[in-house]
Amino acid sequence: DTAVSQTPKYLVTQMGNDKSIKCEQNLGHDTMYWYKQDSKKFLKIMFSYNNKELIINETVPNRFSPKSPDKAHLNLHINSLELGDSAVYFCASSHLQRGDGYTFGSGTRLTVV
Amino acid sequence: GNSVTQMEGPVTLSEEAFLTINCTYTATGYPSLFWYVQYPGEGLQLLLKATKADDKGSNKGFEATYRKETTSFHLEKGSVQVSDSAVYFCALSVTGNQFYFGTGTSLTVIP
Repeated sequence: DTAVSQTPKYLVTQMGNDKSIKCEQNLGHDTMYWYKQDSKKFLKIMFSYNNKELIINETVPNRFSPKSPDKAHLNLHINSLELGDSAVYFCASSHLQRGDGYTFGSGTRLTVV
Repeated sequence: GNSVTQMEGPVTLSEEAFLTINCTYTATGYPSLFWYVQYPGEGLQLLLKATKADDKGSNKGFEATYRKETTSFHLEKGSVQVSDSAVYFCALSVTGNQFYFGTGTSLTVIP
């Protein structure tokens, strides 16, 4: 299936831990994104990579570090997790020039306890 | 700057009722406009889009018309079903890269 897949789907962890979320797309898109969705469903962009190059880096704590080993993968590493990091994190991809819109992954629900 | 404002929810309708979810935008340039739908426990899915003024996007019985004069892109459906219960997001893109999403409108359709 062509899709944006992210793992894990659920992640429960203690404060202070370090965790990673992985994302892969097989759509041939050249741009990938990380969004954070809070409990009120508000979506906030965090990062965007185009062909492995960081092009959007919104104001997020530097505990969050994206990494794109190739244009089909964009991972998100979070250090020293805090309670306020609890949210659903969505990966998305698009073809930058076509303007067709994003394809989203199904989300990773992160709960920090 | 670029931003999207959509009506606050939640919206509760009976099955077969008419749906309108309002969306207005501000943009520095000529945006493309989108509606996304998020079903419970899932990611956002593109519902429809319009890339220029007076274009009408349509899908699954939903429609929205790009109105440049009123800077609006209201979502409508003539007869909603229980399966339409979801959160709906209006969004715009000027560069094709960064999208600006509205705050989402939760719709619940009751039988």
